[in-house]
Amino acid sequence: KAGVTQTPRYLIKTRGQQVTLSCSPISGHRSVSWYQQTPGQGLQFLFEYFSETQRNKGNFPGRFSGRQFSNSRSEMNVSTLELGDSALYLCASSLDTQTDTQYFGPGTRLTVL
Amino acid sequence: GENVEQHPSTLSVQEGDSAVIKCTYSDSASNYFPWYKQELGKRPQLIIDIRSNVGEKKDQRIAVTLNKTAKHFSLHITETQPEDSAVYFCAATQRGYYSSASKIIFGSGTRLSIRP
Repeated sequence: KAGVTQTPRYLIKTRGQQVTLSCSPISGHRSVSWYQQTPGQGLQFLFEYFSETQRNKGNFPGRFSGRQFSNSRSEMNVSTLELGDSALYLCASSLDTQTDTQYFGPGTRLTVL
Repeated sequence: GENVEQHPSTLSVQEGDSAVIKCTYSDSASNYFPWYKQELGKRPQLIIDIRSNVGEKKDQRIAVTLNKTAKHFSLHITETQPEDSAVYFCAATQRGYYSSASKIIFGSGTRLSIRP
């Protein structure tokens, strides 16, 4: 099976702009979670989508949003970018059965100038 | 709020020795505890996980123990090898079949270095 893919892999934006990141889960996986990874804050949970519905949300401002499509692909959007949004954004997919193993994508490295 | 504390933040061990990383969680409803390994420049990968209905789980050189009463769990790596060098993250969450999953909380990570 193909693994989790994320596009783009690298992105450079300026403050105030918005950005959309994409995640394609492993075929058959219905749950997609998004994480922000920074050297100072580690791995932080952004949100999880399951069957096109946001099932849970971390402690991030409303500038961070997401959605999931019927094919389980997910997008994450960040509006009004700030310098502090520079990070590696990882998505992970899982079947969402009692196995619940999450498989991570390679991440999108976002740099905000 | 929910919190997962992980110690130590850095760990250096001689090749062949054992390494132990410890995590403490605050949410007593947590029932699933995965451990991830992230090599430099790569994505996190699940190496082992444990559910709250068991106290220990082993997979070759890796083992995880869970103490529900004390709300802590530990990763044990025996006979360490150079390829074990990486950052290790613990996590805690509440998972269940068709449940409204709680947010997953990660520890801050442990950078493990294996000295030759």
